Amino acid sequence: QSALTQPASLSASPGQSITISCTGASTDFGTSKFVSWYQLLPDKAPQLLIYDVTERPSGISSRFSGSKSGNTASLTISGLQADDEADYYCSSYRSNNPFIVFGGGTKLTVL
Amino acid sequence: QVQLNQGGTRILKSSETLSLTCGVSGGSLSGYTWSWIRQPPGRGLEWVGDIDQGGSTNSNPSLKSRVIISVDPSKKQVFLNLSFMTAADTALYYCARVVDNYSMDVWGKGTTVTVSS
Repeated sequence: QSALTQPASLSASPGQSITISCTGASTDFGTSKFVSWYQLLPDKAPQLLIYDVTERPSGISSRFSGSKSGNTASLTISGLQADDEADYYCSSYRSNNPFIVFGGGTKLTVL
Repeated sequence: QVQLNQGGTRILKSSETLSLTCGVSGGSLSGYTWSWIRQPPGRGLEWVGDIDQGGSTNSNPSLKSRVIISVDPSKKQVFLNLSFMTAADTALYYCARVVDNYSMDVWGKGTTVTVSS
């Protein structure tokens, strides 16, 4: 059982927008600024999409955006494309060990 | 551009010790924290542990002190040793660079590890 809860799967059509939620049970997560999102594709190195809740690394498309309200962080992907079909994971830093926790992952299907 | 070099497959028997290496190219080892993360088949990511620029290490309590993480700055390599392997340790093992905000900005492609009884 993961420390952070994500929907197991989502699907949407090309051009649509989707939002993946990531909910933490602890107040630690509720106040954390250190929430990240990663994209995992088969046989590729995972890619950092969002850090510090809302920030995008250089080179990441502006179609990816992050937000957080209370104990739920969200990743929104706008203008869905076929190659957005992937697994997405949220992650957060905790003050108690384990210091890094991940969500269970969301499999996104682009129909 | 920094790359983390991993790959291949390891097959171990129960109770053996896993030894993995992650090579850093295109950048420096120093000044960063380096982390190991694993993904069992069909399951999510799990943080294994990390080592910071001063050589201090942390590991996931779920692994019950079986983890040793070290670095060789001269070879720009990061190492993971995981002892007393069981089938539950079968997973894809990633190394990653951790930046100041605890996100992991560079990842390797992972090494597939299978433990047979």
